[in-house]
Amino acid sequence: DQQVKQNSPSLSVQEGRISILNCDYTNSMFDYFLWYKKYPAEGPTFLISISSIKDKNEDGRFTVFLNKSAKHLSLHIVPSQPGDSAVYFCAASDQGRDDKIIFGKGTRLHILP
Amino acid sequence: AAGVIQSPRHLIKEKRETATLKCYPIPRHDTVYWYQQGPGQDPQFLISFYEKMQSDKGSIPDRFSAQQFSDYHSELNMSSLELGDSALYFCASSLDRPDTQYFGPGTRLTVL
Repeated sequence: DQQVKQNSPSLSVQEGRISILNCDYTNSMFDYFLWYKKYPAEGPTFLISISSIKDKNEDGRFTVFLNKSAKHLSLHIVPSQPGDSAVYFCAASDQGRDDKIIFGKGTRLHILP
Repeated sequence: AAGVIQSPRHLIKEKRETATLKCYPIPRHDTVYWYQQGPGQDPQFLISFYEKMQSDKGSIPDRFSAQQFSDYHSELNMSSLELGDSALYFCASSLDRPDTQYFGPGTRLTVL
């Protein structure tokens, strides 16, 4: 049973526009959420995180929004740049319980020129 | 900035052979995590170590074992390799547990 769901396998966005990647989760005990970016043949690169006590965290062009009641989070990238083309993984953890991060299946983002 | 180092980057083994993967965490990081990513799959947690002690265990087969050494590097030992063990193996480290995990580039294991 997939506890972290990224329902869009791929997304294409024009360069300069906003990219919005969505993620849903089922485990209400998750208290820490992360987004990772992955290029082929490389490991996941940490982008941004958010604790469950917050609803928004911003870092440069990246903003993560958390809606706990809907068990939904999203990553906004603005403006989108060609180097943003990659696979983005949403991940979550229950930090009070154990160490593991649960990953979604990923969304492949294509930034179009 | 220094990142997580994994070696080797690529490894080819035959069925029933053994393999050892190494992970060197970011300096000052005391927690190491191992993940396995099969083709087209998301990374799955295997095992973690904090201050040289196993801290959590996931879906790690009994054929696999791991340890963390006094310099905080970790090794994942895999025996009686099977075709299904072919995957990307990622190591991650964090400054404390729980904390944000930073991933290495991965070791691609191919079992023939």
